[in-house]
Amino acid sequence: KNEVEQSPQNLTAQEGEFITINCSYSVGISALHWLQQHPGGGIVSLFMLSSGKKKHGRLIATINIQEKHSSLHITASHPRDSAVYICAVGEETSGSRLTFGEGTQLTVNP
Amino acid sequence: NAGVTQTPKFRILKIGQSMTLQCTQDMNHNYMYWYRQDPGMGLKLIYYSVGAGITDKGEVPNGYNVSRSTTEDFPLRLELAAPSQTSVYFCASSYRRLGADTQYFGPGTRLTVL
Repeated sequence: KNEVEQSPQNLTAQEGEFITINCSYSVGISALHWLQQHPGGGIVSLFMLSSGKKKHGRLIATINIQEKHSSLHITASHPRDSAVYICAVGEETSGSRLTFGEGTQLTVNP
Repeated sequence: NAGVTQTPKFRILKIGQSMTLQCTQDMNHNYMYWYRQDPGMGLKLIYYSVGAGITDKGEVPNGYNVSRSTTEDFPLRLELAAPSQTSVYFCASSYRRLGADTQYFGPGTRLTVL
């Protein structure tokens, strides 16, 4: 069992839909990161959070430390949101290292 | 700021050849990382560095070497390339340890070993 599990693996939505991607982890963490990998391969950091909720534009990330679970929400989805979304955790005991989930492939159709 | 830059973008190697993947960052970040990404798999940490002169192994270090002589540069050396090293390689950096800071990625190097 991976330490970081994402669901779903693949997600297809229609433009305008509300999207949720889930991430569960099994270790104690210092922070959780959400990343976006564009179709061209580049990776950008969307959020880093250790508690509560963060919002940036149409993207919202939440984390429940007790349940070891995080969600990434996209409101009013758009075809340009099509990408792979990756959850990664910084473990309490590992200092400077991240453990990554396998990613969720999101396709938003016009 | 250019951020994190990597060269080359693409490379094809023959089995047994060696090469160095270059990584440079201009953000004065202390922490630098090398990852590989195989199809359908999560990113795996190869090596990382917490500052000039200090490096440490990640999950999958076999077949690779690194050095960190300056804050800016963190090259990854492949010795005796093998088909199992066919992958996309990403360099990344952060100012502080990852529990407390955002990570910035380079554009990646796509390596094929034939």
